[in-house]
Parts: sequence; C-alpha cells; structure tokens
Amino acid sequence: TQLLEQSPQFLSIQEGENLTVYCNSSSVFSSLQWYRQEPGEGPVLLVTVVTGGEVKKLKRLTFQFGDARKDSSLHITAAQPGDTGLYLCAHPALNRDDKIIFGKGTRLHILP
Amino acid sequence: ETGVTQTPRHLVMGMTNKKSLKCEQHLGHNAMYWYKQSAKKPLELMFVYSLEERVENNSVPSRFSPECPNSSHLFLHLHTLQPEDSALYLCASSQGWQGSDEQYFGPGTRLTVT
Repeated sequence: TQLLEQSPQFLSIQEGENLTVYCNSSSVFSSLQWYRQEPGEGPVLLVTVVTGGEVKKLKRLTFQFGDARKDSSLHITAAQPGDTGLYLCAHPALNRDDKIIFGKGTRLHILP
Repeated sequence: ETGVTQTPRHLVMGMTNKKSLKCEQHLGHNAMYWYKQSAKKPLELMFVYSLEERVENNSVPSRFSPECPNSSHLFLHLHTLQPEDSALYLCASSQGWQGSDEQYFGPGTRLTVT
C-alpha cells in the first residue's frame, strides 16, 4: 500500500513569515495533488504536479515535485491569516483498479 | 460554493437509528464519491459511482449503504452505526472516473454516533 507522509502535522506561525510543508513517500508517483481544506468546508484542489522537478506557482504558494517523483513540497511566502487550513497531498487514481490516496495533512494556523 | 451540496451539515444519531446523508452536484459531472474523514487518519475513499454504476467499494461495512439514483444525486444510508463511525463524511464529484479529473468536494456532514 502506498503511503503519503506529511510533515509537520501542525504548524502555527505569525503573519508575514515563510513556511514549507512536505509530502513524502517511498513510492514513485506519476502525479501528486495538493488540496487546501478550510474549517467547515471540503478540500479544494490547488495544483497537480506531474513532471519530476516541476515547480508551479499560485500567487504566494510554490509547489515542487521531487526529481524522483517520490516527494513534494509546498512553500508559502509571507503567510496570511487566509492561508489557515488543512493542506493535503494526494496521489490520484490512475484507472478503475486504482484509488486516490491522501496524506493525513498539515494543519496550518497563521496568527494575525 | 463548489457546486456540491450536502445535507444535513450536522447529524447526531444513536446506534439503533437509521438515517441518510444526501449529496447533490450541480456541475453536470458523471462521477460521484463518498469519503470519510476522521481525526488522525487520512481521508478515506468509501464509494465511487460513475454514470450511476458503483465502481468502487473499499471494504466498507454493510451498515453503510450508498445509493445513486441519477448522476446528480448520491445518498449514504446509515443503520446500526458504531461510535467509531463518528466522522466528517464528504461527498465529491468529477467529470469522469479518471485520475486526472479534478474532484469537487461538498462541505461535508459532521456525524456523531452516540
């Protein structure tokens, strides 16, 4: 069974600081997704990374897929209270015999 | 607003009760999903329906019974649940049953079994 390990589990930082959260696995993935789940809501897809070494930017969020496609990171620059939420990484299902796998997530709290 | 609605948002039920969770998607998607989100556990896929046909059942206990009458509606019928079934139940939909298709999640039903 493929597992996605996310770290840290919890992170509380001041507004304006930078941070990085990680998603790691011992398996190689064809692609990886990052979701953000705000309190009282369902997860929302932020990005999908496909190519080893790929970097994608979404405003202040930078997503990187490891060269070996076993890990990914999310870096947030100048964090804002609106970034508060649960960040989940996931490996999507490839076909009908596969199923999507989620990590446990990193719970991020940005203090104003 | 993601285009996926779930009712009720909160539910408290006893172990002998029977209740149903409802999900409706307004996106014209063909696939719908039920997930369970418990504290300290990864999000778990329970059931997948594609064009109203169940394509995935991940060893979910029979006390959870899904129903998909059409491509816009999905139900999860609950009976004789256990306290460990308390969790957030999320519904999602996607255009097709392919890994690359983005899933849109509803806000979830917070279920407490007493």
